[in-house]
Amino acid sequence: GQQLNQSPQSMFIQEGEDVSMNCTSSSIFNTWLWYKQDPGEGPVLLIALYKAGELTSNGRLTAQFGITRKDSFLNISASIPSDVGIYFCAGQLQGSNYQLIWGAGTKLIIKP
Amino acid sequence: NAGVTQTPKFQVLKTGQSMTLQCAQDMNHNSMYWYRQDPGMGLRLIYYSASEGTTDKGEVPNGYNVSRLNKREFSLRLESAAPSQTSVYFCASSATGTGEKLFFGSGTQLSVL
Repeated sequence: GQQLNQSPQSMFIQEGEDVSMNCTSSSIFNTWLWYKQDPGEGPVLLIALYKAGELTSNGRLTAQFGITRKDSFLNISASIPSDVGIYFCAGQLQGSNYQLIWGAGTKLIIKP
Repeated sequence: NAGVTQTPKFQVLKTGQSMTLQCAQDMNHNSMYWYRQDPGMGLRLIYYSASEGTTDKGEVPNGYNVSRLNKREFSLRLESAAPSQTSVYFCASSATGTGEKLFFGSGTQLSVL
C-alpha cells in the first residue's frame, strides 16, 4: 500500500530548542495533517493543511504543505517539556475520502 | 465532554476466543473509524463507517467485523482472535465529511496469547 516516510524516527533535544520533522511520499496528496500522541492516549489533531505551499501555525507549531504536494514539514519553536510525545503526519490522497495514510511517527524526547 | 469513549481499556484473550470492542461518540459525527497501532508503525485503518447504516473495509480488515449500531456507536468484533491481532486499537470519529479531522478515543490494548 501507500506509505509515508516520516523522519526522524526520534529526537533528543534540550528544552528551548527548535524542532523540525518531515514527511515525504512518492504520491501526491490533497491534504496533510499533523497529529500528536501522548502516552496512553489517542492522537490529537494539531494542524490541517489543504493547499500546496500553505503555511499554518498553531501556537509554537508551524506546518507547511510542500509545493510538490508530496511532502509536509512540522516545526516546533522553543520546545517545552509538554511537547514530549509522538508526532504523526497523515495524508489524504485525492478521491480517498475517509481514508488517511499515516507516517510511522517521530518520538520527541526532551533531555533533562 | 466525553468525546469518543472506548471499552475496555485492556483485554487479554487466548487464541481462538472472540470479543467485541465498543466505541461511542457524543459529538454527533457522521463518520466513525477503527484503527490499529503497532510498535514503530503508523496507524492502519481496519474498517470505517462513513454514515449510519454503511460500513467499508480499510487497509487491514481481515479477521475483523464491524457494526454501526446507530449514529453514536461503532463496534469492532474479533471472531477468532490470533496472536497477530495483538495491538492497540483506536476508535475515532470525524468532524468533516471527508474524514480527515479525526477525534480519537484513548485506545484498547489487546493481547492475544
